[in-house]
Amino acid sequence: DSGVTQTPKHLITATGQRVTLRCSPRSGDLSVYWYQQSLDQGLQFLIQYYNGEERAKGNILERFSAQQFPDLHSELNLSSLELGDSALYFCASSVAPKGDTEAFFGQGTRLTVV
Amino acid sequence: GENVEQHPSTLSVQEGDSAVIKCTYSDSASNYFPWYKQELGKRPQLIIDIRSNVGEKKDQRIAVTLNKTAKHFSLHITETQPEDSAVYFCAAPQVNTGNQFYFGTGTSLTVIP
Repeated sequence: DSGVTQTPKHLITATGQRVTLRCSPRSGDLSVYWYQQSLDQGLQFLIQYYNGEERAKGNILERFSAQQFPDLHSELNLSSLELGDSALYFCASSVAPKGDTEAFFGQGTRLTVV
Repeated sequence: GENVEQHPSTLSVQEGDSAVIKCTYSDSASNYFPWYKQELGKRPQLIIDIRSNVGEKKDQRIAVTLNKTAKHFSLHITETQPEDSAVYFCAAPQVNTGNQFYFGTGTSLTVIP
C-alpha cells in the first residue's frame, strides 16, 4: 500500500457526461500529480498541484480540470467525455514541489466511456 | 515538456540472463532519475533511482547508470527471474517548469522460464 488513495476504482459512464476522480495523497505529501494511461500506452502527465496551487500543466485537455483542496486531497474533473477518454487515471504524491523525490502512486481509477 | 525517450519498447530474455533498458532525456538541468515497475493492472512502483551527483547505483540485482554528458541513463537487471516480467518506466523531471515527472514510453519485459 503506497498510502495514496484513489476513488472510485472503476467508473463507467456515457459519452458527453462529466465525472470526478478523487485522490488523497500520502500523509505529509504536498504535491499531487495526475497522469493518464491509455491502453498499452505510457504515463501522460496531466497536471501538478503543490500545497493547493497549480504548479505545472502537461497535456491536459480543456475539457479536464483539477484542483487541490486545503486538506490536500485533489480532484480531477473530466467533462464532455469522449470514447477516447477511456483510460486508467493515476494520481501520485510526493513530499516536495520539485520532481526530485519519490512519487507514490495510487491504484488508479479505470474510466470506461461507452 | 521534457522529452524522455526509452528503448526498447519490448524485451524478451531467458531466465537468468541480463536485461538492459535505456533512456535519454533532453533537459540538461534534470537532476533525479527514477525507474518504476508496473505489473499488469497495478500501480507503478519505484524500484531504484539515481541523482545527478553519482554515476551508478546498485540494489541487489538491479542497477542504474547515469551519463550526464550524454544525457542518458540505463536500468540493468541481472539474473532475471519470471517475476521481473512487467513494464518498466524511466522518468526525468522538467526542471524549469516545476520539476514534474515526465515518463518514458515504457519497456515491456518478458522473462522466459
